[in-house]
Order: sequence, then C-alpha cells, then structure tokens
Amino acid sequence: SQTIHQWPATLVQPVGSPLSLECTVEGTSNPNLYWYRQAAGRGLQLLFYSVGIGQISSEVPQNLSASRPQDRQFILSSKKLLLSDSGFYLCAWLPPRQGDYEKLFFGSGTQLSVL
Amino acid sequence: RKEVEQDPGPFNVPEGATVAFNCTYSNSASQSFFWYRQDCRKEPKLLMSVYSSGNEDGRFTAQLNRASQYISLLIRDSKLSDSATYLCVVNRDDKIIFGKGTRLHILP
Repeated sequence: SQTIHQWPATLVQPVGSPLSLECTVEGTSNPNLYWYRQAAGRGLQLLFYSVGIGQISSEVPQNLSASRPQDRQFILSSKKLLLSDSGFYLCAWLPPRQGDYEKLFFGSGTQLSVL
Repeated sequence: RKEVEQDPGPFNVPEGATVAFNCTYSNSASQSFFWYRQDCRKEPKLLMSVYSSGNEDGRFTAQLNRASQYISLLIRDSKLSDSATYLCVVNRDDKIIFGKGTRLHILP
C-alpha cells in the first residue's frame, strides 16, 4: 500500500537556526511531490512542487528551499529561520496520471514554531 | 488577483439546512478541480472531484462552469459533523492550488 511519512510532528526552533523537514513516500514511483505551509487561521500556500528527481518549482520567494534527492524523498530546508516561517507544513504527493481521478495524499504535517 | 478565490466565511447554519460554497479560478488553462475538507489542525482530505457534467455523492453536489471559471459545492441536510473548513482546489499542469477555504459551523 501507499503511505507518506513526514517528520517531525512538532518543532520549536530559534530565529536564525537552520531547518530540515523530510518527507518520504512508499509504495509508488515517480509521484509528484508538494510542500505547503498553512499559517494560523490561513489557507494552504503552495511553497514548492516537484514532478521528478532534481526538478523543483518554487512558488513563493522566501528563505526556504526544497530538494528531491531521490524519487520518493522531498526535503524542505532553510539556512536561517525567520519568525514568519512559523506555521503548519504539509507534504503531499500525487500519483502518476490516473485519468480523471486524482487525489492528493497528505502527510500528517509538521507544526513549526520559530521563537 | 489570487488564482483561486472562495467566499470568506464563516458560515453559521442550523442543522438540516442547505449550504452552498462558491469558488472562482483565474486561469482558464486549469485542468481539474476538487473540493477538500479540513478539520482543525489536521491535513486536508478529498471530499470530491468536480466534473463538467456535475456530480453528486450522497448529500454533496459539485458543479463546474468552465466558461465562467466557477466551481460550487452544495451540502444538503447538513449535519453537525459537516462542521469544517471547505477548500476549493485547482490543478493546472501539476501545480495544485488551494483556495483559502470557507469555514462552516453547523449549529444544533
């Protein structure tokens, strides 16, 4: 079966510290992978998406970056966190084309608090 | 202009009422459309895909008007368990964009 793992579930980091959030998918190959952020009381903002190894599309200019070193691994990073980076980070994957039916599968999320 | 826009909400409706959510998208090249539901501090879950011909799943009906770039969701006979945030979602060339969502409170 197909599963997605995202960790950690919660993270408290000081301003200026680095960040690395990892997401891995099992049971599929060549998925599309996504990172979203949801600030408190706000909608989901698309940060990055990837349609293949080494292919990253960035949606919002910021101090975050993403990498896809392996087919089923998607990493979100920052060299120096800002207070505004606080939020709920969600990794998601989309199976290869399945005709009219598409379903985005989400990880359980990481609640990041930058203090 | 945001690529996906929804009613700002929140909607507070009595149990048993019918609720309608509206959504518009700005890019006519958008290819597929969905409604997701999100409970507080949880990941979103797919409620239903939206097809041009309209589709129904129990108490839920979704409609798509490509000419107007408009998507709707209707919930009939609302239940307390329908309380959640409803997210309009658009896929354009594998870029999946969420609207800000409309919060729904069903009142007993």
